[in-house]
Amino acid sequence: EPEVTQTPSHQVTQMGQEVILRCVPISNHLYFYWYRQILGQKVEFLVSFYNNEISEKSEIFDDQFSVERPDGSNFTLKIRSTKLEDSAMYFCASSRVNYGYTFGSGTRLTVV
Amino acid sequence: AQSVTQLDSQVPVFEEAPVELRCNYSSSVSVYLFWYVQYPNQGLQLLLKYLSGSTLVKGINGFEAEFNKSQTSFHLRKPSVHISDTAEYFCAVKGTGNTPLVFGKGTRLSVIA
Repeated sequence: EPEVTQTPSHQVTQMGQEVILRCVPISNHLYFYWYRQILGQKVEFLVSFYNNEISEKSEIFDDQFSVERPDGSNFTLKIRSTKLEDSAMYFCASSRVNYGYTFGSGTRLTVV
Repeated sequence: AQSVTQLDSQVPVFEEAPVELRCNYSSSVSVYLFWYVQYPNQGLQLLLKYLSGSTLVKGINGFEAEFNKSQTSFHLRKPSVHISDTAEYFCAVKGTGNTPLVFGKGTRLSVIA
């Protein structure tokens, strides 16, 4: 069964550093998403991406965040200057239509 | 905008007993409804979904859910749970159109031997 692949599985970074989280969505999917889950809390929507542009973003997705689909297969989330409160599990998801998301296994980001 | 309420943060249940995890949603438009499961230190796995048609939806691992439009509910049930069902369960709702999937806070199901 096709999978969404996320790398790395765990990343530790120093506060103020830039970090890039990588995702390879399912190949025939058209919609791409990032969510995050702070430890012990709910899964929160960050951003959706369709047709090479952001289609929706939440209040969390401020100027420190950006997304890119640089080569037609990867989908990345960049956090420009990480804060302690960015520590969370980040999930990438993709879908062929605008429902029925398939999630990756997540990247646990720890900001120290 | 859509929202989801999962009334129970934790549900302990004995092995082989039935379980119901409650989910209520609010939305001003038609919705799609989902249940996801998250095993410890793992990602989100789709259990089942309601898109349209029959209100009783069957998913993986013996789970089922019933969409009740008048009650705005989508409760998850399993007639007999196993130890391996111990996990966090998330209800999620998505409005039709280009709106994001919104999750509830989750219910931790603990199955006791």
